[in-house]
Amino acid sequence: KQEVTQIPAALSVPEGENLVLNCSFTDSAIYNLQWFRQDPGKGLTSLLLIQSSQREQTSGRLNASLDKSSGRSTLYIAASQPGDSATYLCAVSGETSGSRLTFGEGTQLTVNP
Amino acid sequence: DAGVIQSPRHEVTEMGQEVTLRCKPISGHDYLFWYRQTMMRGLELLIYFNNNVPIDDSGMPEDRFSAKMPNASFSTLKIQPSEPRDSAVYFCASSLRRGLMGYTFGSGTRLTVV
Repeated sequence: KQEVTQIPAALSVPEGENLVLNCSFTDSAIYNLQWFRQDPGKGLTSLLLIQSSQREQTSGRLNASLDKSSGRSTLYIAASQPGDSATYLCAVSGETSGSRLTFGEGTQLTVNP
Repeated sequence: DAGVIQSPRHEVTEMGQEVTLRCKPISGHDYLFWYRQTMMRGLELLIYFNNNVPIDDSGMPEDRFSAKMPNASFSTLKIQPSEPRDSAVYFCASSLRRGLMGYTFGSGTRLTVV
């Protein structure tokens, strides 16, 4: 059974800092990995999708990497802003889990002005 | 495309009442998922459909929960009778070709059972 772990559970940083969120998964037989953002009381917004054959994806100040063999992904946020404050969720889909997404518990990020 | 559309956004009901949540997936997507999110358990997959056919309902907590997908553009999740422990945010998501291009989530329905 696929298990996804995110570290840290919570993170508070001053504005402007670069930061890294970590995600690890137990079964490397994945199709892809997706990072989502969730604001309080809101739905999930897709940030980046990395296919199993890819090493990284970039969108603006966000960069996500994937090391499938070691079961790890990182989300790098450059020059953080207060508007980045949210919960960030990592999710994987894979061969053993069918078409379903398995989510981590998320990292709650607070960027202080 | 308007994305995945869920209704209602909020639902408050009394214990024992029937609750029906609705979802319209993105046109052309062949997979539809129902998730539940709580503080205690995070995001849990309840059931998913492929081409309107239920594939895996092992996450449905009890017989009180049922889901249907009568056509490619509509799905319902029904709880009958509802209980306070069903209070959660219910998300619908859709994807194309087993998530090849990722998954798109709706805004969710916040259910409160009193």
